[in-house]
Amino acid sequence: SQTIHQWPATLVQPVGSPLSLECTVEGTSNPNLYWYRQAAGRGLQLLFYSVGIGQISSEVPQNLSASRPQDRQFILSSKKLLLSDSGFYLCAWSVRTGSPREQFFGPGTRLTVL
Amino acid sequence: GQQVMQIPQYQHVQEGEDFTTYCNSSTTLSNIQWYKQRPGGHPVFLIQLVKSGEVKKQKRLTFQFGEAKKNSSLHITATQTTDVGTYFCAGHPSGGSNYKLTFGKGTLLTVNP
Repeated sequence: SQTIHQWPATLVQPVGSPLSLECTVEGTSNPNLYWYRQAAGRGLQLLFYSVGIGQISSEVPQNLSASRPQDRQFILSSKKLLLSDSGFYLCAWSVRTGSPREQFFGPGTRLTVL
Repeated sequence: GQQVMQIPQYQHVQEGEDFTTYCNSSTTLSNIQWYKQRPGGHPVFLIQLVKSGEVKKQKRLTFQFGEAKKNSSLHITATQTTDVGTYFCAGHPSGGSNYKLTFGKGTLLTVNP
C-alpha cells in the first residue's frame, strides 16, 4: 500500500532562518506531488506541484522554493523565513493518470516562525 | 482564475440534526471531490463525482453534483460527534489541468453532543 511521510511534524524557527521540509512517498511510482500551506483560515493554498523529477510548477510567488531530486521525494525550502510563512504545510500525491485522481495527504508540518 | 466558494464557513449543530455545505465554482468542472479534515489532522478524500446531476451516498452522507457541473453539495443526515471537522470541496476545471485541484475554503462543522 502507498504511504506518504513528512517531517518534521512541528518546527519553530526564527525569522530569517532557512527551512527544509521533506516529503517522501512509498508504494507508488511517477506520482504527481504537491505542497500546500494551510493558514489559520483553514483554506488550502497550493504552493507547488510536480509531475516529474526536476519539474516544478510554482503557483504563488513567495520566498519558498521546491525541488524534486528523486521520483518520490519532494522538498520545500526557504533561504530566509518570514513571519508570514507560519502555517501548516501539507504534502500530497496523486496518480498521474486514471480516475479518480484524488490527492493523498501527508500528516503535515506545523511551522511557527518567531 | 478558477475560484471555488463554499458556504457556510462555519456550522454548529446539535447532535442528530442535519448538516449541508454548498460548493460553487466560477467555471465548469470536470469533476468535484470532497475531503474531510479532522481537527489537528490532514485532509482525507471522501468521494469524487464526475457526471452531471450525479448523486452518491456514503451511509449518512449524500453528495450531489449540479446539472451544470458548477456546484455541489454535501448533506449529512443525523450528525454525530464523529462528523466534526472541516469539509472541503475541490475541483478540476473542465478542459483544464488534470494536475491541479482548486479547493474551497471549507466548512467547519462542530457538533454539540
